[in-house]
Amino acid sequence: DAGVTQSPTHLIKTRGQHVTLRCSPISGHKSVSWYQQVLGQGPQFIFQYYEKEERGRGNFPDRFSARQFPNYSSELNVNALLLGDSALYLCASSSDRGGGLNEKLFFGSGTQLSVL
Amino acid sequence: GESVGLHLPTLSVQEGDNSIINCAYSNSASDYFIWYKQESGKGPQFIIDIRSNMDKRQGQRVTVLLNKTVKHLSLQIAATQPGDSAVYFCAENIGGTYKYIFGTGTRLKVLA
Repeated sequence: DAGVTQSPTHLIKTRGQHVTLRCSPISGHKSVSWYQQVLGQGPQFIFQYYEKEERGRGNFPDRFSARQFPNYSSELNVNALLLGDSALYLCASSSDRGGGLNEKLFFGSGTQLSVL
Repeated sequence: GESVGLHLPTLSVQEGDNSIINCAYSNSASDYFIWYKQESGKGPQFIIDIRSNMDKRQGQRVTVLLNKTVKHLSLQIAATQPGDSAVYFCAENIGGTYKYIFGTGTRLKVLA
């Protein structure tokens, strides 16, 4: 079975542009989370979605938004890019069998975004 | 790809020795913990988890210890191998939320 897949793997943008990152969860997983990982740090929580509803949001500005589709795939959108948005963006899926709490997260390989 | 954790604490161990990686977590309300391994250019890979009603859990070559009194978590790797070289993160889940808080990470280097 395929794991979590993310596209694109690398992306270069300039300040002020917007970007859309895509994620397909593990088959059967209904929950998708997005994390930002800046070089030298651990991942930071951005969003979690379940059944197309936002279930949690981290401390990120409104320039960051996401959505989940009926097939449970997800998109992360970032508007008005800043240099500080350069990071590895990770998507994780979980099965949500336990109601969504205390669930193992399985991560994709991420999208490396560079903002120039 | 880019390296993860260029300025992280580093633990160097000889191949075949046991490794112990430590993590101090932040929130006393955290009730579920995961250790992840991250190799350069890849996403975090699940290693082992533990719930707050336990203080020890063993997997294949790995053991996680949880001390809730001092909010401390450790990962023990037995007979460390070159393939264990990576950055290791602990992640805590605060009870009742869907958010995981990751530690800063430790780079493990296995010396031949």
